[in-house]
Amino acid sequence: QVQLVESGGGVVQPGRSLRLSCAASGFTVSSSGMSWVRQAPGKGLEWVALISDDGNEKYYADSVKGRFTISRDTSKNTLYLQMNSLRFEDTAVYYCAKIYWSGSYVFPSWGQGTLVTVSS
Amino acid sequence: DIQMTQSPSSLSASVGDRVTITCQASQGISNFLNWYQQKPGKAPKLLIYDASNLETGVPSRFSGSGSGTDFTFTISSLQPEDIATYYCQQYDYRQVTFGPGTKVDMK
Repeated sequence: QVQLVESGGGVVQPGRSLRLSCAASGFTVSSSGMSWVRQAPGKGLEWVALISDDGNEKYYADSVKGRFTISRDTSKNTLYLQMNSLRFEDTAVYYCAKIYWSGSYVFPSWGQGTLVTVSS
Repeated sequence: DIQMTQSPSSLSASVGDRVTITCQASQGISNFLNWYQQKPGKAPKLLIYDASNLETGVPSRFSGSGSGTDFTFTISSLQPEDIATYYCQQYDYRQVTFGPGTKVDMK
């Protein structure tokens, strides 16, 4: 069955960088759209980034555009989120999700999340 | 960008009660509206996709309806395990948007 395991979270100073990983099993990332969604402490869900199943399209929330980059390594069956110029407001649990297209994007499978804390 | 609103933001209900949550989009989104359940400390779980389709394995007491800008999510008979926050979600032109959530707890 589909399994997603995030890693790479931790405490980081403002302005620094961090790379999150999402190891997938039960399917191949090369044939599936994938996404990152975050949740600040006590807040709702905020979509961060998305990569299409063919890898040709990458979309970002305005709040992270130009700072975050979504990518995948099909040889490792892993999704990544490179986060640069981190800000206090980037503090959140980051979830990766397998998505599919049904005329719109649907998020049927999620990882357990990894916590990123931006603190001086 | 399309904005999503949900109401109420929270509600209290008793076991067996019918619970209804609404989600409104700032522009028409056809039936491309999904609903998720999130329990504290857990990842979200897809319940309903494309406004009214029940995800495999989800109990039939959950249902959804609507199209265009107005959508409804219903729990026909609230169970203790349904205590959670519920989110609607849409995608339109390179942007995914989640609603602000509705917290459901037991009266």
